[in-house]
Amino acid sequence: EPEVTQTPSHQVTQMGQEVILRCVPISNHLYFYWYRQILGQKVEFLVSFYNNEISEKSEIFDDQFSVERPDGSNFTLKIRSTKLEDSAMYFCASSLTGNSYNEQFFGPGTRLTVL
Amino acid sequence: AQSVSQHNHHVILSEAASLELGCNYSYGGTVNLFWYVQYPGQHLQLLLKYFSGDPLVKGIKGFEAEFIKSKFSFNLRKPSVQWSDTAEYFCAVNPVNNNDMRFGAGTRLTVKP
Repeated sequence: EPEVTQTPSHQVTQMGQEVILRCVPISNHLYFYWYRQILGQKVEFLVSFYNNEISEKSEIFDDQFSVERPDGSNFTLKIRSTKLEDSAMYFCASSLTGNSYNEQFFGPGTRLTVL
Repeated sequence: AQSVSQHNHHVILSEAASLELGCNYSYGGTVNLFWYVQYPGQHLQLLLKYFSGDPLVKGIKGFEAEFIKSKFSFNLRKPSVQWSDTAEYFCAVNPVNNNDMRFGAGTRLTVKP
């Protein structure tokens, strides 16, 4: 069964450094998403992406975040200058279409630790 | 924006006990409703979903949920839990006209053998 994959599984970085989290969505899916979950808190929507553009973003997704689909398979989340409060689990998801009737399939997550 | 509340942070049950996890949401428009499960060390998986029609929906592994529109609730139930149901359960709400899915804080279920 096709699945969403994410790399790395765990990333440790120093405050102020840039990180890139990588995701490979399910191959025929067209919509891609990033969520984060700070330890002990709820899963929070960050951004959705379609046709090489951000389609929606939350108030969390500020200028330090960016997303990109650099090639036909990868979907990346870049955090330009990490802060301690960016430490969280980051989940990528993809769906076949963009309407909310479509199931989003989640990856296993990348645990980001900012020191 | 919509918000989702899950009433219980941690529920501990013995095997064969019945389960009900509460979920309430606030949003002025039409929404689609989901329950996701995250087993230890695994990723989020869809348990069941409600779009329209019969407000009682059945999902995988014997789970069901009932949408009560007047109460803005979508509670998850299972008549008899198993040890393998130990996991974190997330309720999620997505307005039909956008992709901004909001999750509840999650409920950790521990089933004692």
